[in-house]
Amino acid sequence: KNQVEQSPQSLIILEGKNCTLQCNYTVSPFSNLRWYKQDTGRGPVSLTIMTFSENTKSNGRYTATLDADTKQSSLHITASQLSDSASYICVVSGLVRKSTFGDGTTLTVKP
Amino acid sequence: EAGVTQFPSHSVIEKGQTVTLRCDPISGHDNLYWYRRVMGKEIKFLLHFVKESKQDESGMPNNRFLAERTGGTYSTLKVQPAELEDSGVYFCASSQNYEETQYFGPGTRLLVL
Repeated sequence: KNQVEQSPQSLIILEGKNCTLQCNYTVSPFSNLRWYKQDTGRGPVSLTIMTFSENTKSNGRYTATLDADTKQSSLHITASQLSDSASYICVVSGLVRKSTFGDGTTLTVKP
Repeated sequence: EAGVTQFPSHSVIEKGQTVTLRCDPISGHDNLYWYRRVMGKEIKFLLHFVKESKQDESGMPNNRFLAERTGGTYSTLKVQPAELEDSGVYFCASSQNYEETQYFGPGTRLLVL
């Protein structure tokens, strides 16, 4: 069964600090891995998308890494801001095109 | 450019009734996806259209759910008859090509009483 596991489930950090969110997956064969940010009451917004051959991708203060050998990804947030408070969701797609979502990590940034 | 829109934003219905959700993708996006999140669970894939054709409907839970995309533009997702376990948030997303970024709508929050 294809699975996507995210950790931690929730995280609280102070404004200005960095943090790293983890995603482990068992989806195989692998097509791409995406990180989304979801604000409360809104739909997910894409942050990064990586294919098998990519091991890092940045979008502003967000940097995602991918190790396709160990089936692990991380999302690093630099110099966090209050607006970064949201749920961060890892999504893995296989070659059959069906996407598997993780449960998400709820990040709270406090002043 | 307008994003993905969904209607209604909220729907409260009684068990046994019918509800139809609508999704308008970004203009020009051939790929349209339906997802849902039920209480306390992760978002799950329902189905994927390429233009008007169903590319993958393996995530549809049962035959009470019917999705259509006539003309390859907007899509509807009908639940008939609705059951209590259908409550949740239904998201629609669209993309130009499969490998590209999917843009999500705000979701329709469905509550079946």
